[in-house]
Amino acid sequence: RKEVEQDPGPFNVPEGATVAFNCTYSNSASQSFFWYRQDCRKEPKLLMSVYSSGNEDGRFTAQLNRASQYISLLIRDSKLSDSATYLCVVNRSGFKTIFGAGTRLFVKA
Amino acid sequence: GAVVSQHPSWVICKSGTSVKIECRSLDFQATTMFWYRQFPKQSLMLMATSNEGSKATYEQGVEKDKFLINHASLTLSTLTVTSAHPEDSSFYICSAQTPNYGYTFGSGTRLTVV
Repeated sequence: RKEVEQDPGPFNVPEGATVAFNCTYSNSASQSFFWYRQDCRKEPKLLMSVYSSGNEDGRFTAQLNRASQYISLLIRDSKLSDSATYLCVVNRSGFKTIFGAGTRLFVKA
Repeated sequence: GAVVSQHPSWVICKSGTSVKIECRSLDFQATTMFWYRQFPKQSLMLMATSNEGSKATYEQGVEKDKFLINHASLTLSTLTVTSAHPEDSSFYICSAQTPNYGYTFGSGTRLTVV
């Protein structure tokens, strides 16, 4: 079993749709959690950190459930520019960062 | 903000030769850098953790004699792919922890071995 698992995707949604991505992690000692966005042939860029209380940044909402070892990302009112691969990222002890395989999102006009 | 400069951005080399990739933190000191490899349509896979002034820590299955990592200063880490083969063709990317405990990535190096 992979340490970080994500919905495989791809998700194909129309503009304006709401889409949710899920991610589970297996190491209960994991300490911090992030969502990164990666465009084709580019480096990943931090989208947002994920906190136990849940956090929101504009159209993006992230949630963490430590008991279930589950992370989610919700995107509201999807834009064409949201098309990318979304990576669930977990930081375990020693600052090692483990990436999920990524979920590809295609937003269509 | 914290920036990591990585170069070259792409390189084509002949089989059997060695290639060096550099990652430099421009406006902060990076005591730890991470090296990743990403094959097409796959996620980033951590190869090794590079520690300034000490030996790198390699992930299971990564050959330390093939992927040489040097972190001689607080702002520079290098990855050398020795005796490269076509199967080493991949996207290599480094990252560093920033002073505010986030992570920033280099722009990546696309290696093609012919």
